[in-house]
Amino acid sequence: DQQVKQNSPSLSVQEGRISILNCDYTNSMFDYFLWYKKYPAEGPTFLISISSIKDKNEDGRFTVFLNKSAKHLSLHIVPSQPGDSAVYFCAAGTSGGGADGLTFGKGTHLIIQP
Amino acid sequence: DTEVTQTPKHLVMGMTNKKSLKCEQHMGHRAMYWYKQKAKKPPELMFVYSYEKLSINESVPSRFSPECPNSSLLNLHLHALQPEDSALYLCASSATGGADQPQHFGDGTRLSIL
Repeated sequence: DQQVKQNSPSLSVQEGRISILNCDYTNSMFDYFLWYKKYPAEGPTFLISISSIKDKNEDGRFTVFLNKSAKHLSLHIVPSQPGDSAVYFCAAGTSGGGADGLTFGKGTHLIIQP
Repeated sequence: DTEVTQTPKHLVMGMTNKKSLKCEQHMGHRAMYWYKQKAKKPPELMFVYSYEKLSINESVPSRFSPECPNSSLLNLHLHALQPEDSALYLCASSATGGADQPQHFGDGTRLSIL
């Protein structure tokens, strides 16, 4: 049973426009959410995260929104640039306490068109 | 350049071989992780080490044997693997654990079992 779901395998956006990537989760124990970006032949690179006590976190062109009641988060990239073309993974976990692994979604392949 | 270094980048081995995957980080992180990623699937957690002690084993078959010789190194010893074990093996580290401390990933070892 998938606890983190990214229902769009791919997304195509024109350069300069906004890219919106969506993620849903089912496990109420998750209290921290992260977005990773992955290029072919490289490992995932951390982009931005959000704690469950917040509903928005912004870092430059990247903003993550969290709707706890809907168990939904989204990543907004604006403006989209050609270098943003990659696979984006949503991940979730629990904060504090001991070391714990992350649960990943299947990823969304973002394609930025010139 | 990734701060988590994995060697080798590619490995081809027969089902009777014994080999090891290596992972190294010099960020002073005390939590280290092994993930397995099959094609078009998300990374799946295998093992977590916290302060050089195994804290999580996600029911991984005994043909995979992790080892953490010191706080900077993480090995994954492989023996009698099956063709379905062919995958990308990712190592990650984080400060002390918990999803509020982002995990930093290496570029992975692509393993092929003949």
